[in-house]
Amino acid sequence: QKEVEQNSGPLSVPEGAIASLNCTYSDRGSQSFFWYRQYSGKSPELIMSIYSNGDKEDGRFTAQLNKASQYVSLLIRDSQPSDSATYLCAVNRANDYKLSFGAGTTVTVRA
Amino acid sequence: DAMVIQNPRYQVTQFGKPVTLSCSQTLNHNVMYWYQQKSSQAPKLLFHYYDKDFNNEADTPDNFQSRRPNTSFCFLDIRSPGLGDAAMYLCATSDKGQLKETQYFGPGTRLLVL
Repeated sequence: QKEVEQNSGPLSVPEGAIASLNCTYSDRGSQSFFWYRQYSGKSPELIMSIYSNGDKEDGRFTAQLNKASQYVSLLIRDSQPSDSATYLCAVNRANDYKLSFGAGTTVTVRA
Repeated sequence: DAMVIQNPRYQVTQFGKPVTLSCSQTLNHNVMYWYQQKSSQAPKLLFHYYDKDFNNEADTPDNFQSRRPNTSFCFLDIRSPGLGDAAMYLCATSDKGQLKETQYFGPGTRLLVL
């Protein structure tokens, strides 16, 4: 089992719609969860971090964490063409500050 | 602006010819990481430095080495690049090596091996 798994893409959504990205992780002791956005040919850029169960909102982005289910998600509301990118889920290894990354979900927003 | 800088942005080398990639940071962070990312794959941690302490990942090939001469700079040396080493190499930093810390990435160096 991979440490971090993301729903396979690509995910295509129309402009203005909600894009929903999912991530599961294997280490029950993980405490820190991050979503990075990576444009093609570029490096990852942090868009959200979440540490507690529940929802965290930042502009059009909402991260949701459920530690009991070992599940973290990212919702992108009012999707824009500029949101077209690969979204990486990253989870800290238990008792460690190092991160394990998922392979990413590629989102395409259709104008 | 405080940032993570990588040079060069693109590097072409020949099979078996040693190559060095450079990373510098103005964030004054204690921890510097090197990741390898191949197309459509997750970034894979190769190793990291906590201050001067080097921490290698168990599955990182011996062909990959690193140096951190001071707080600001970190180098990735590939002693004998193979075709399978063609990838994007990402340098990242974090402040104190604690939980809940963000990792900040440089722009990456894309390595091509001929």
